[in-house]
Amino acid sequence: QQPVQSPQAVILREGEDAVINCSSSKALYSVHWYRQKHGEAPVFLMILLKGGEQKGHEKISASFNEKKQQSSLYLTASQLSYSGTYFCGTERRSGNTPLVFGKGTRLSVIA
Amino acid sequence: DVKVTQSSRYLVKRTGEKVFLECVQDMDHENMFWYRQDPGLGLRLIYFSYDVKMKEKGDIPEGYSVSREKKERFSLILESASTNQTSMYLCASSLGGTGFQETQYFGPGTRLLVL
Repeated sequence: QQPVQSPQAVILREGEDAVINCSSSKALYSVHWYRQKHGEAPVFLMILLKGGEQKGHEKISASFNEKKQQSSLYLTASQLSYSGTYFCGTERRSGNTPLVFGKGTRLSVIA
Repeated sequence: DVKVTQSSRYLVKRTGEKVFLECVQDMDHENMFWYRQDPGLGLRLIYFSYDVKMKEKGDIPEGYSVSREKKERFSLILESASTNQTSMYLCASSLGGTGFQETQYFGPGTRLLVL
């Protein structure tokens, strides 16, 4: 089952913050975040392997709450280059099955 | 730098035609994947392979088959293309050996239009 991402779309002004959520009805072993800019291939941002772990990439960080079966992506002081569609991918069983991706969150940063 | 290439960026085919989409990776990755991307539906896994000649169905395999005769090449085949297979097709690869937790590297995609 696909994880559920929210919101589906968000528009930000440069410098504003945003949070993208990814939740699953199944137990999560890891959560992966990817960004796809318009007309380009998805690009890896980060993997969260342990519950409660936070990781960062530039001014983008993420948390993983194993108990709540959800992950959140935090975009701080957004830049125009952050525009794109963000996908979370969840691992259904530890190491044995490929990721299931959510439907994506379209982020638009405007000047 | 990992490079995943796909044979065509755009493809136009007629209903009933047999269609081959080719994907090649140059990093000796064991895992390869085919996804379909449609607006509002995200990335959906069609087939994947974790070794040469090995293949596994993903979430939406109906109407598709795959072939992996060499490690670097993973082909997606539409036996008889239909209009509902009009979509963006993305290939990806990952290192393998430790399951599927590694980074996936995506190709640029093939936009297929079936008339």
